[in-house]
Amino acid sequence: DQQVKQNSPSLSVQEGRISILNCDYTNSMFDYFLWYKKYPAEGPTFLISISSIKDKNEDGRFTVFLNKSAKHLSLHIVPSQPGDSAVYFCAASAYSGAGSYQLTFGKGTKLSVIP
Amino acid sequence: NAGVMQNPRHLVRRRGQEARLRCSPMKGHSHVYWYRQLPEEGLKFMVYLQKENIIDESGMPKERFSAEFPKEGPSILRIQQVVRGDSAAYFCASSPDSTNYGYTFGSGTRLTVV
Repeated sequence: DQQVKQNSPSLSVQEGRISILNCDYTNSMFDYFLWYKKYPAEGPTFLISISSIKDKNEDGRFTVFLNKSAKHLSLHIVPSQPGDSAVYFCAASAYSGAGSYQLTFGKGTKLSVIP
Repeated sequence: NAGVMQNPRHLVRRRGQEARLRCSPMKGHSHVYWYRQLPEEGLKFMVYLQKENIIDESGMPKERFSAEFPKEGPSILRIQQVVRGDSAAYFCASSPDSTNYGYTFGSGTRLTVV
């Protein structure tokens, strides 16, 4: 079963407009949520995160919103730029009980920002 | 300060051969994580190691896969008798401590089993 779901495999947005990437989760034990950005043939790069005790975190053009009751988070990018074109992964962290915090990733959303 | 270094970047093995993937963590990082990404999937946790210790291997397949992080040298993910289903991108990440804040990933090793 998929504990972290990104239901949109792809998203196209015009340059300068807002990009909204969505993520749903099922495990109530997740206590930290992260967004990673990934270019082809590279590893994921950390973008922004949010603790489960908060509902919003902002960093420049990137804002993450968390709705715990709905088990939903979203990443807003505004304004979108062509360099933002990449695959975005939503990830959630929980203590495994075996000595580590494990990240559970969604399948990713490929964002294309059109000039 | 180099990031997390993984080598090789690409590895081709025939079925039944062994694959060795290496990961050098960032300077000052003593915690290493291995993740695997199958085609069209998200990354999945495999194993978490500290120097000379396997802390959590709950994501490792029970057979053919092993990992180590010796006192000196890189962390090694070893896959014996590879099969086609092992073809994937293997990512290593490191952190200075055990954290739930995420960690720094390397560029990955893409393993292709032919």
